[in-house]
Amino acid sequence: AQSVTQPDIHITVSEGASLELRCNYSYGATPYLFWYVQSPGQGLQLLLKYFSGDTLVQGIKGFEAEFKRSQSSFNLRKPSVHWSDAAEYFCAVVSGRAGNTGKLIFGQGTTLQVKP
Amino acid sequence: EAQVTQNPRYLITVTGKKLTVTCSQNMNHEYMSWYRQDPGLGLRQIYYSMNVEVTDKGDVPEGYKVSRKEKRNFPLILESPSPNQTSLYFCASSRNPGQSYYEQYFGPGTRLTVT
Repeated sequence: AQSVTQPDIHITVSEGASLELRCNYSYGATPYLFWYVQSPGQGLQLLLKYFSGDTLVQGIKGFEAEFKRSQSSFNLRKPSVHWSDAAEYFCAVVSGRAGNTGKLIFGQGTTLQVKP
Repeated sequence: EAQVTQNPRYLITVTGKKLTVTCSQNMNHEYMSWYRQDPGLGLRQIYYSMNVEVTDKGDVPEGYKVSRKEKRNFPLILESPSPNQTSLYFCASSRNPGQSYYEQYFGPGTRLTVT
């Protein structure tokens, strides 16, 4: 079955420290991969996406993610975290094949807390 | 401004009282979808629509109905709400998923409480 796993439910980092949020997917077809961020009381905002090509993708707010097919991973990184990055982060996958239903399969989410 | 809007944003209701959550997008997107978000479960798809008058079930459709009479609107209907439908609901839209390089845009969410 198709699935996305975010192994870390909750992560706390100090402001200015680096960040890596893990995402593993199980998907037989060509995956399209996404990272969304949800700030408290807000909707989901797309941080970045991977469809094909360069496996290191840059997103908004200084985030980047690396697609590793051999590890079925799409980890999100940021070199220096800001207090405003405190939020919940979701990894998601959708089929990259034509004719797909467009259904996004989401991970359970990782809550990021930033210490001053 | 390109956006997906949902109304209401917050709703408290009682078991069995029919309700509708509206969703509208101004991007001329063919595809629209509803998700519910529950703690520890992420987001799960309820229903989706590939275009006007074309709808289909997602992973958790029980207790919900949808309709797509106009391209811009995709209301979610709860005919007889129950407490297990207490959740945070998101509407999303995108270009046709059959095309490459699309992304889904999400509304601000509707927090529903059924007592």
